[in-house]
Amino acid sequence: EVQLVESGGGLVQPGGSLRLSCAASGFTVSSNYMSWVRQAPGKGLEWVSAIYTGGTVYYADSVKGRFTISRDNSKNTVYLQMDSLRAEDTAMYYCARDMYDYGDYGIEYWFDPWGQGTLVTVSS
Amino acid sequence: SSELTQDPAVSVALGQTVRITCQGDSLRSYYASWYQQKPGQAPVLVLYGKNNRPSGIPDRFSGSSSGNTASLTITGAQAEDEADYYCNSRDSSGDHRVFGGGTKLTVL
Repeated sequence: EVQLVESGGGLVQPGGSLRLSCAASGFTVSSNYMSWVRQAPGKGLEWVSAIYTGGTVYYADSVKGRFTISRDNSKNTVYLQMDSLRAEDTAMYYCARDMYDYGDYGIEYWFDPWGQGTLVTVSS
Repeated sequence: SSELTQDPAVSVALGQTVRITCQGDSLRSYYASWYQQKPGQAPVLVLYGKNNRPSGIPDRFSGSSSGNTASLTITGAQAEDEADYYCNSRDSSGDHRVFGGGTKLTVL
């Protein structure tokens, strides 16, 4: 079964750091693109960061310079290191496999599966 | 602000058809994918590409696109379809992903 399990969330003070983990089973993270997506309480989904198979990484402007995505192939796990945390980073953080395929009419992109999420609260 | 625009809320009578739309310039170049999210749960993929449904998603869910607008249609909406629906695509650079603001679907 293809599955993702996040961990590492919790309460942290503004300016602090936290590292989230996303353990995959049923597939190999190093052979797939992986993304982190967050959702502030009562708000919509916001893409945060992606890591490609070759190691190229991308970040949303809102977290660039503060967050770092990485992976450990031996543990089949993706990480999100979050530094200089702000109150507005408070959210449920989901990891997702970031899929693509060359369809008959163009490149198709989608996220599947998603983990259950881990909650990050930034507050003093 | 989101580069993909969705109506905040839509309602449909039980058994009727409803269309949820997503607008954005990037949709002229990239397909949208659609996600269903029920309260307290993680999002679930319901549609991607031209009109592809993952295994386990009922065939009452279908998709289409025209110009800068992608649509998710539910034909014969059921009570269990009541949820938030989000579209997603790439931005104009092709490397960043972007979500619509979400549409809350109420089944009356």
